[in-house]
Amino acid sequence: SYELTQPPSVSVSPGQTASISCSGDKLGDKDACWYHQRPGQSPVLVIYQNTKRPSGIPERFSGSKSGKTATLTISGTQTMDEADYYCQAWDSTTVVFGGGTKLTVL
Amino acid sequence: QITLRESGPTLVRPTQTLTLTCTFSGFSLSTSGVGVGWIRQPPGKALEWLALIFWDDDKRYSPSLKSRLTITKDTSRNQVVLTMTNVDPVDTATYYCAHKAGDYYFDYWGRGILVTVSP
Repeated sequence: SYELTQPPSVSVSPGQTASISCSGDKLGDKDACWYHQRPGQSPVLVIYQNTKRPSGIPERFSGSKSGKTATLTISGTQTMDEADYYCQAWDSTTVVFGGGTKLTVL
Repeated sequence: QITLRESGPTLVRPTQTLTLTCTFSGFSLSTSGVGVGWIRQPPGKALEWLALIFWDDDKRYSPSLKSRLTITKDTSRNQVVLTMTNVDPVDTATYYCAHKAGDYYFDYWGRGILVTVSP
């Protein structure tokens, strides 16, 4: 089955840059997107089509993809960015989420 | 403004069939490229995609749950219904419905409904 692998946790100091990776065999020819989810809230789309940012998402959120790995980068991380982050992709028949990364800002 | 809202039972007994309804506004499920998906999240765990229905009534299911799931749409009522048969306590989760944009990403999500499966 198709899988996306994320690190379980990432820590960053306020104001620094956080990077979260997402790897999968089929990412080479598929687009990735990213969501963040604060406790008790619904997921929010922060990056789609590898690099695009929906309206209303701060510019400090950016995405990239190289080969089979997609990366979410948060520049100038703020305490409000502390959340779980999920990557997602798809193949011809299924949608797949990564296992999630807990971002801690301390 | 796109909104989605999940409704259904919050407590289901094991072996029963769970029926959830997603009622949406701000878009039409008859518009080319549009879809509505269901995603669930067990307490403290990751998101898991369940099913997706497209504007043309094409349907996709999670391979691991395909035998237990059915997704349907009622375009005139702006609703999508997900049924899951033979539920088990491991199906306890918050169930979300979400709007699928042109590409395979979900740009609007409902608030979710916590469904508990317990005797």
